[in-house]
Amino acid sequence: AQTVTQSQPEMSVQEAETVTLSCTYDTSESNYYLFWYKQPPSRQMILVIRQEAYKQQNATENRFSVNFQKAAKSFSLKISDSQLGDTAMYFCAFMKRNAGNMLTFGGGTRLMVKP
Amino acid sequence: DAGVIQSPRHEVTEMGQEVTLRCKPISGHNSLFWYRQTMMRGLELLIYFNNNVPIDDSGMPEDRFSAKMPNASFSTLKIQPSEPRDSAVYFCASSLEGVEGYTFGSGTRLTVV
Repeated sequence: AQTVTQSQPEMSVQEAETVTLSCTYDTSESNYYLFWYKQPPSRQMILVIRQEAYKQQNATENRFSVNFQKAAKSFSLKISDSQLGDTAMYFCAFMKRNAGNMLTFGGGTRLMVKP
Repeated sequence: DAGVIQSPRHEVTEMGQEVTLRCKPISGHNSLFWYRQTMMRGLELLIYFNNNVPIDDSGMPEDRFSAKMPNASFSTLKIQPSEPRDSAVYFCASSLEGVEGYTFGSGTRLTVV
């Protein structure tokens, strides 16, 4: 079974600064996908960014980018120019391809952006 | 599209009562997932449907839990009888191919007293 570990339960960052959230995963698979989801206080789960394991190029979405290190099984999320609206729980998730496409989530990191 | 629609948003019930949570997936999506979120256990997959057929229900905690998907636009998660330890936020999510990620509903916060 796959496991996803987020070692930082809580983090904080000043508005406009950059913060990096860590995620590691354990798998013997070679074909998989990785995701970051954001859960603001409204509790809605929002997809932030996804990465395909066979692509070496790191995914980016506006202020959000990832550092995907396949050999190290690491998938960190970098948030640039942090905004107050980025305050949320962030979940890293793993999906093994062709196995029901089920997501396995990490325990989450609570990020607070301070003004 | 209105997204994944869950109802009710909040539910408070007494121990022993039956609880039914409802979900309407995004039209055209062929996979539907029920997750439970608690502080202690995080996000847990309860059951997964593909083309209305239950594929994996290994996450369903016990026989008190059941889920159905009678058609492509509706699913229910039922707890009977409910217990205080069932208190959690229950999410429904749907996807087309899965690899693009899921779209989640707003969740149902269940409190069993």
